[in-house]
Amino acid sequence: AQSVTQLGSHVSVSEGALVLLRCNYSSSVPPYLFWYVQYPNQGLQLLLKYTSAATLVKGINGFEAEFKKSETSFHLTKPSAHMSDAAEYFCAVTRNTGGFKTIFGAGTRLFVKA
Amino acid sequence: EAGVVQSPRYKIIEKKQPVAFWCNPISGHNTLYWYLQNLGQGPELLIRYENEEAVDDSQLPKDRFSAERLKGVDSTLKIQPAELGDSAVYLCASSFGQGPTYQQFFGPGTRLTVL
Repeated sequence: AQSVTQLGSHVSVSEGALVLLRCNYSSSVPPYLFWYVQYPNQGLQLLLKYTSAATLVKGINGFEAEFKKSETSFHLTKPSAHMSDAAEYFCAVTRNTGGFKTIFGAGTRLFVKA
Repeated sequence: EAGVVQSPRYKIIEKKQPVAFWCNPISGHNTLYWYLQNLGQGPELLIRYENEEAVDDSQLPKDRFSAERLKGVDSTLKIQPAELGDSAVYLCASSFGQGPTYQQFFGPGTRLTVL
């Protein structure tokens, strides 16, 4: 079975500081991995995805994530946080069980301090 | 191009009452998803449609939940009767096809409060 664990339900950083949101997955086969962002009262928006191509994936808004098979991790980073980055971030994995199903982590809320 | 449209955005009902949510996916998207998002949690798939066929409804509580997508376009999710534990956000998403290479686009959700 595939699952996703996001370490830290809340992360707080200062504006301009590095953003690091952690995600670990369990998968018996090479996974497809995603990061989504959710702003208040809005639906989820895809930030980036890994589909077995380059291990370093660049997404929108300056975010990137690195797939590390040895660590079963797919951490999300951004070099310099902006106030507008404050939101909920979800890591997700897609599994194929007679049809593709996306499993989401519990989410990490990012706070950005001025 | 319009995104995924959901209505209503908010709904407050008393327990044991019925409720329905409507979703209109992005034009041309064959795959439609309904997700349940509890407070502080990630979305969980309730049902997935390929055109008008429900191809994965294994997580849909069929004793009280039902869904339809009669013409393979818009969809309705119904709860009857609603329970206190059904209070959550119900998200609809759509994609051009199924599988991880097809991006899912999410609507803003319907926030249900059951009193």
